[in-house]
Amino acid sequence: KQEVTQIPAALSVPEGENLVLNCSFTDSAIYNLQWFRQDPGKGLTSLLLIQSSQREQTSGRLNASLDKSSGRSTLYIAASQPGDSATYLCAVAGYSSASKIIFGSGTRLSIRP
Amino acid sequence: DVKVTQSSRYLVKRTGEKVFLECVQDMDHENMFWYRQDPGLGLRLIYFSYDVKMKEKGDIPEGYSVSREKKERFSLILESASTNQTSMYLCASSFQDRGLNTEAFFGQGTRLTVV
Repeated sequence: KQEVTQIPAALSVPEGENLVLNCSFTDSAIYNLQWFRQDPGKGLTSLLLIQSSQREQTSGRLNASLDKSSGRSTLYIAASQPGDSATYLCAVAGYSSASKIIFGSGTRLSIRP
Repeated sequence: DVKVTQSSRYLVKRTGEKVFLECVQDMDHENMFWYRQDPGLGLRLIYFSYDVKMKEKGDIPEGYSVSREKKERFSLILESASTNQTSMYLCASSFQDRGLNTEAFFGQGTRLTVV
């Protein structure tokens, strides 16, 4: 059974710092991995999707990498801003595109002005 | 823009009531999902559907059922609501791989309180 873990559970950094969020998964037979952002009391907003054949994806100040063989992904946030404060979740889809999507428990990020 | 719409933002129901949570997507996605989210437990998959009338149990299907009669609509049913089903419920949808973006999109969530 696929298990997804995110470490740390919470992180607080001063504005302007670059930071890395970590995600690991137990079964490397994944179809894709997706990073989401969630603001308190709201739904999830998709940030980046990495297909299993890809190594990384970039969008603005965000860069996500994927190492399937080691079961790891990282989300790199450059030049952090207070508006980046939110919970970040990673999720993996199983071996096909008609598979379940399993989530990690998230990292709660706080950017101090 | 992809839109996944959940019928209610907030809902209060009584113990024992039959509750319907509705989710509609407008992007012709094959896959649809229902999750619940609780503090300290993260998002847990209740049910998943990969086609009309097709469904698969997720990690916590007990006390729930689902219906997918049309491609765009996926309903979550609480047969007899109980207080331990008080939670935030999130619906999502995605394409299967037809050379299309298989990104999952979420609705805004329904906060259900069972009293």
